[in-house]
Amino acid sequence: RKEVEQDPGPFNVPEGATVAFNCTYSNSASQSFFWYRQDCRKEPKLLMSVYSSGNEDGRFTAQLNRASQYISLLIRDSKLSDSATYLCVVNLLSGGSYIPTFGRGTSLIVHP
Amino acid sequence: DTGVSQDPRHKITKRGQNVTFRCDPISEHNRLYWYRQTLGQGPEFLTYFQNEAQLEKSRLLSDRFSAERPKGSFSTLEIQRTEQGDSAMYLCASSLAVIGQGRKDTQYFGPGTRLTVL
Repeated sequence: RKEVEQDPGPFNVPEGATVAFNCTYSNSASQSFFWYRQDCRKEPKLLMSVYSSGNEDGRFTAQLNRASQYISLLIRDSKLSDSATYLCVVNLLSGGSYIPTFGRGTSLIVHP
Repeated sequence: DTGVSQDPRHKITKRGQNVTFRCDPISEHNRLYWYRQTLGQGPEFLTYFQNEAQLEKSRLLSDRFSAERPKGSFSTLEIQRTEQGDSAMYLCASSLAVIGQGRKDTQYFGPGTRLTVL
């Protein structure tokens, strides 16, 4: 089982739709959770950190569920420009160090 | 441009050759990370530095891979005796880590070096 798992998709949604992605992680002794966005052939860019109490940034809402070991990202009112791959990152405790561990990413395609 | 920079952006080499990549982090950042990314996968952690100290290197893919950050500023990643399986995008990221503020240790990525081994 991979340490950080994401459904690769693609999620194909119309403009204006609401879409949600989940990301599960294997080690309960984890800290620092993030969502990144990566456009084709570009570097990952930070979308938002994920706080224990959940947090919102405009159309984007991130949640953390420590008991079930997953984080989620909700995108409301999808725009064409939201089309990208969404990567979750978890700092997993491994051998005494916290290692930033990425999921494989979830592809989102927003169509007119 | 005050972001993370990487050089070269593309490298084509023949199997068995050595290659070296450079990363210049955001100037005030104390941490520097190296990752490898292949098609359809997320970035795979290789190693990281806090200032000049290499704090984690067990994830380097083999003993052919090594990294340095001699003065705590720029870093180099070297791959010796390259193999076709080393073909990938090599990404560098930097962050400003503050003790007790792990959730704010956000990484900023450079554009990457795309390596092709023939």
